[in-house]
Order: sequence, then structure tokens, then C-alpha cells
Amino acid sequence: QQQVKQSPQSLIVQKGGISIINCAYENTAFDYFPWYQQFPGKGPALLIAIRPDVSEKKEGRFTISFNKSAKQFSLHIMDSQPGDSATYFCAARKSSGYALNFGKGTSLLVTP
Amino acid sequence: EPEVTQTPSHQVTQMGQEVILRCVPISNHLYFYWYRQILGQKVEFLVSFYNNEISEKSEIFDDQFSVERPDGSNFTLKIRSTKLEDSAMYFCASSKGTSRYVGQETQYFGPGTRLLVL
Repeated sequence: QQQVKQSPQSLIVQKGGISIINCAYENTAFDYFPWYQQFPGKGPALLIAIRPDVSEKKEGRFTISFNKSAKQFSLHIMDSQPGDSATYFCAARKSSGYALNFGKGTSLLVTP
Repeated sequence: EPEVTQTPSHQVTQMGQEVILRCVPISNHLYFYWYRQILGQKVEFLVSFYNNEISEKSEIFDDQFSVERPDGSNFTLKIRSTKLEDSAMYFCASSKGTSRYVGQETQYFGPGTRLLVL
């Protein structure tokens, strides 16, 4: 059972463009939704996270949009830069739990 | 900035052998985790550990796996009898464990140990 579905699997965006990655979850008990960024040879690192009591959270060029009724959330990277090229994972977790449930990841390439 | 460290970075072993993967969590963190990522697949939760006890484990974490905090700084994952399908990148993570909802705390990941079982 895939608790968190992520799309697309890969994404190519031109420098300055908007990168959009989408995720959907099944378990309504999830109430914490982080996005992780992973560069080659490194572990995942927290990028930004949202709780379901808000519909949007913005940190610099990164924005999470959250739709509780649709059980969907997305990451928007504005003004994408070549340095943003990495793998992005959405995840979900219950506040009462410990396990992060990851999506399959999106490999983002930002071309100059 | 404090980091989670893992050793070794790569390990090759023969099927049936025991392996121990080592992690040094961030020093003031209280919760520790192991995840694995089979090549091309998603990161999967294995186990969480607090106060010298397993607090949660997944279906993957069967009797061939065990975790231990042998001293005040190290956290280990032991695989007793490795199988070919254990080949993966294994990530250790830690979190502070000081907030009311530990589930909403940031988990900080190490760089991983790539395990290859032949």
C-alpha cells in the first residue's frame, strides 16, 4: 500500500521557471507534511513543512500548497535555479507517530 | 552545524553474513531512526528508538534486524544474516524529542551507508 503518491518522477525546468511537484496521501491521520531535498551522496534534508491547519506556507522561493479535502499537497519552486537540481521527496507523518512515509521522489533538473 | 554521521559509507558483504551499520546522532537528540532506500525506490522507515527502547517499527524490521545504543554517542543497526534484498542505502536520522508532538519534529538524516550483499 502506497500511502504517499508523488508525481512526476522526473522534471526538467529552465532556469527562472516554476517547478511544481505534487503529492497525495491516503491516511487521514497524517497531520504533518514535510518536503525533503536530497543531493547526490547526501542524506535527505528538510526543506519546508506544513501542518493541515494552513493551506499554504512560503519560505523564500519554496511554497507548499495544501488541500485537506482533496488530501493533496504540492511544492512550488519559484525562479528555479541550477542549484535546485536535486531529488525532492514529499512525506507524511502522524503527530503521534515517528515514521516518515515518503513518496517515491522527483528528480528535478534545472537547466541554465 | 551539528550533523548525523554514519560509518562506513560503503560496505560489501556476502549473503548470510552479519553486518553492523554505525551512526552518531546529533549530540543532544533523544530520538533515533533507521530508514533504507533500495536503489530506485522510495525511502522506507525501519525503526525508531527512544530511551533504549524501540518506539515504532515497520513490517520490514523483522527478527533479522536489531538496534542498539551501545554507548552515549553511537546508534547501531545490526542485520544478522544478510540477504540479497537487503542491498540498499541505509540512513540514520535523529530528532530532538523535546516537543509535545515528536511526530512534528524535524528528523535530521545522515549521509547513509550503501550496503551491497553479494
